[in-house]
Amino acid sequence: DTGVSQDPRHKITKRGQNVTFRCDPISEHNRLYWYRQTLGQGPEFLTYFQNEAQLEKSRLLSDRFSAERPKGSFSTLEIQRTEQGDSAMYLCASSPGNNEQFFGPGTRLTVL
Amino acid sequence: GESVGLHLPTLSVQEGDNSIINCAYSNSASDYFIWYKQESGKGPQFIIDIRSNMDKRQGQRVTVLLNKTVKHLSLQIAATQPGDSAVYFCAENGAYNTDKLIFGTGTRLQVFP
Repeated sequence: DTGVSQDPRHKITKRGQNVTFRCDPISEHNRLYWYRQTLGQGPEFLTYFQNEAQLEKSRLLSDRFSAERPKGSFSTLEIQRTEQGDSAMYLCASSPGNNEQFFGPGTRLTVL
Repeated sequence: GESVGLHLPTLSVQEGDNSIINCAYSNSASDYFIWYKQESGKGPQFIIDIRSNMDKRQGQRVTVLLNKTVKHLSLQIAATQPGDSAVYFCAENGAYNTDKLIFGTGTRLQVFP
């Protein structure tokens, strides 16, 4: 499968714990995006990278959230001190740079 | 503020009929629009896109229409099939050269046999 992959697909954690998600974009796509989606809503933009540079961050991305793309390929999204309000689907998308964005299957986070 | 909205939260159609899903956008500076299909538990799947220099684009069984005068976008699905049942989102890029996508809340399409 040459699409966007995300790991894990599901994560259940207790409030206050740290979690980290990984995204592997489509190879040769230089842009990578993170979105968050809650039930019944459309995805909301969090941040994006062009190669290894993080070019934009949403106000939704509090200081408990950090994203990296160290080598310009895969990316990680870490949430520290998780809260129940962090429960959502975290989606990753990649793009060759022409606005088209292709999404992965998402990581479903449940914070107890 | 910027927003992308949908008129109908749920659309029910009979198999074989044509479906039309509508979307209103608010940012007149948006120059790129895209439709996604999302099935339960999966990520959004690209269907078709259109740039602001066009008013119509066709794909396989799908057509997107863009009316910039009234800031309206629609997705037409011909001969709707049970496999088309999903939530459909429209999204816009919000402003020239902005990479992020702004999504609406979605329309659920239900196809009955």
